[in-house]
This record gives sequence, structure tokens and C-alpha cells, in this order.
Amino acid sequence: QVQLQESGPGLVKPSETLSLTCSVSGGYVSTGGYHWTWIRQFPGGGLEWIGSIFYGGRPHANPSLTSRITISLDTSSDQVSLKMTSVTVADTAKYFCARASHLGLNGMDVWGQGTSVVVSS
Amino acid sequence: DIQVTQSPSTLSASVGDSVTITCRASQGPTNWLAWYQQKPGKAPELLIYKASTLASGVPSRFGGSGSGTHFALTIINLQPEDFATYYCQHYLSSVYTFGQGTKLEIK
Repeated sequence: QVQLQESGPGLVKPSETLSLTCSVSGGYVSTGGYHWTWIRQFPGGGLEWIGSIFYGGRPHANPSLTSRITISLDTSSDQVSLKMTSVTVADTAKYFCARASHLGLNGMDVWGQGTSVVVSS
Repeated sequence: DIQVTQSPSTLSASVGDSVTITCRASQGPTNWLAWYQQKPGKAPELLIYKASTLASGVPSRFGGSGSGTHFALTIINLQPEDFATYYCQHYLSSVYTFGQGTKLEIK
């Protein structure tokens, strides 16, 4: 079955750009009908949707983050990428990638284990 | 922006009890409402989608209801493995919004 694995730097300095990758195995990012999605969970526990992309479509981003993020698909390596510019300590969180089926209508049925990101000088 | 209000934030119950968690969206109507269970150190797991459809492998003691802007998750006959944190997630016009979460604790 499809599995997702996030990877990233772990520690980022304030004002720098955070780059995360989600590797998809057991499936393809070019398979139609799925939103490939980034979510983060703050240390206090709340979940926040960052953005989503589907093959052949344009990304959608959380209105509060849209100016700072870029989400893209790499079909040659079946990866989903997230870039977040100008990070601050408020971006410290665990970052998950997930697959939302039926273009988002049927919930996020596959999740990665998450990767922790700390923003600190 | 869409606001999703989930309540209560904490719920105490005993094994065998039944509990209900509610979720209210500031915009709708929509039936694209999902519920997730999360245990410490793990990713959330999908329980219910389209407000009331049970995800694959989820026990039938979990049930979802509601439509429009008001939704509920009910768990009957609580089992020890059900004590966890639950989140609702709303989807409308290409925007996903999560509720604040409900921590279900053993009384």
C-alpha cells in the first residue's frame, strides 16, 4: 500500500528557507484523484493545514501562509516538496505529509510519520 | 477565513461509556467533514469521512453524524484503545480547516 516518508533538516535558523520532502512509495504522485497535502502540528498539539497539490492542478495554500510557501510534485522521483520562506520560531512544529483521496472529499487516508522542525538561532 | 469550533477540548469517560464530540463550521453547507484519531507520537488516523462514512478498518462503535455546518462524532462502548485525541477536519472550496482537538481521557 502507499506509504509516505517526510525528510528535512530538523533545525533551521530564523529568516531562512525551510525545505521538506515527502517520498511516496507503493504508488505514484501522478495518480489522479489525490491531493498531496502538507499539515503541521504545533508543540501545543493543534493541527494546521499548510497546502495541497494534485497532479495536473495548481497548488492551494492556507491563506495565512500563501505568500511564504511553495508546493510542488516531482513525478520522476514520486516526491512532494514544501518550501517555506522567512521562517520564524512560530514555524517550529512537526510537519506531516498526507494523501487526501477523491480530491480532498474523502479525508486524508494516508499519513507519513512526520518530521520535526525547530526554528532557532 | 473558515473557523471550525470543536468541543469539548477535554472529555473524561470510563471504559464502556458512550461519548459525543461536536464540530461546528463557520461556513457551509458541506458534508466534507472528516474525523481523525491521534495517539501520542503518532500521525492522525482517518476514522470517518463525508461526515458519516466509516474509513476502512474502523470499528463500528465509531459513528459520525450531521450535515451543513454542525457535525458530531459518537463513540459507543469505549474501549481502552479509544483514549486518544480526536480532530475534525472541514473541507470547502479547496481549503482544509482542522478543529482544535478533543482529548479523551480515562476517568
